[in-house]
Amino acid sequence: GAVVSQHPSWVICKSGTSVKIECRSLDFQATTMFWYRQFPKQSLMLMATSNEGSKATYEQGVEKDKFLINHASLTLSTLTVTSAHPEDSSFYICSARGGPGSYEQYFGPGTRLTVT
Amino acid sequence: SQQGEEDPQALSIQEGENATMNCSYKTSINNLQWYRQNSGRGLVHLILIRSNEREKHSGRLRVTLDTSKKSSSLLITASRAADTASYFCATAPQGGSEKLVFGKGTKLTVNP
Repeated sequence: GAVVSQHPSWVICKSGTSVKIECRSLDFQATTMFWYRQFPKQSLMLMATSNEGSKATYEQGVEKDKFLINHASLTLSTLTVTSAHPEDSSFYICSARGGPGSYEQYFGPGTRLTVT
Repeated sequence: SQQGEEDPQALSIQEGENATMNCSYKTSINNLQWYRQNSGRGLVHLILIRSNEREKHSGRLRVTLDTSKKSSSLLITASRAADTASYFCATAPQGGSEKLVFGKGTKLTVNP
């Protein structure tokens, strides 16, 4: 149980275009999902916390107009990188809490974004 | 902000040996968790230890927590080549925050 998927696993896009990344909880309902960014050989940096049916809470320094997050259902959250630039190239990982009162997070396999 | 600091940053051992990784943090916590990440993949939850616990075991894993020193250690016994991965500690701050704050990680290489 507690499987989280991400799609796509990798994507290459041109500068100025937008890219949508999906995060799904496959066998449980996730009221809260998290989006992280990870640069090579570095740790995870939390970008935002996504709660089903409400606006995402962004971490300091993360542009909410650039990284649009939608959590329209209990099993799906999406991250859209708008007007992507090469500096947005990174590994994006989502996670979902295991349920009310659960502190464990279950991670998706990540999406490698390359902006050319 | 990154709270946890793991050491060493990199560790290379032979198969069969034990591997010990340490994590230090700065603020009061509700719990501390260890995760594993294979190269280019997502993270896998290994073990959670609550602030009122001092030691926890899961298979070949042993985690200790010293809240007075704000530190934790992860011991992997009888390591295998398949244990090669990066290991991260993550803290859940006290106060009910849902967020986890990740450390910088230890890159473990187990040589066959």
